[in-house]
Amino acid sequence: NAGVTQTPKFQVLKTGQSMTLQCAQDMNHEYMSWYRQDPGMGLRLIHYSVGAGITDQGEVPNGYNVSRSTTEDFPLRLLSAAPSQTSVYFCASSPTRTAEKLFFGSGTQLSVL
Amino acid sequence: EDQVTQSPEALRLQEGESSSLNCSYTVSGLRGLFWYRQDPGKGPEFLFTLYSAGEEKEKERLKATLTKKESFLHITAPKPEDSATYLCAVQARGGATNKLIFGTGTLLAVQP
Repeated sequence: NAGVTQTPKFQVLKTGQSMTLQCAQDMNHEYMSWYRQDPGMGLRLIHYSVGAGITDQGEVPNGYNVSRSTTEDFPLRLLSAAPSQTSVYFCASSPTRTAEKLFFGSGTQLSVL
Repeated sequence: EDQVTQSPEALRLQEGESSSLNCSYTVSGLRGLFWYRQDPGKGPEFLFTLYSAGEEKEKERLKATLTKKESFLHITAPKPEDSATYLCAVQARGGATNKLIFGTGTLLAVQP
């Protein structure tokens, strides 16, 4: 059972480039979300989804887009990367829409130069 | 504004030396408080959920407790493998109930 799989593990971008962080889960979870983790700050919610075709903004959504076409996949798109988006990104899923007991992926470390 | 503060930021213990980590919270109606463990280079791993003051949960050497203002994670006779960052998060009642507010964590190092 793979759980939550994120790719890539590391990525370096130049300012203005776009890219997609991939997230897939094989637990048939309704809820999926993206967080960013920065030094000295708690995990902050970027976007979340409570089911296929349903997405909503979290605490820090600007500069990011998401879509949820299937239950399994929840990609995060950076439209035009900025140095402020340098961070570690985590995808997380939960079997309940209320996001109790989150299952996290192993993270993507992104650097924007 | 909903807020979570964890203390201390870092804690170094000798193997077998019991201690507690603190999570103070301010939230407009607590729906749940969560503890996660995070190892270096990995995503957080769920430990406990607490819902009401007075509730306690235990897992191996860890025990989590909850009051109306704070939660404690007690570590009894820790081992080096307990070294990790421990994260606390709260979820507010009402509104978008699936949003969690995370603290910045306590980095625990247990030396043999």
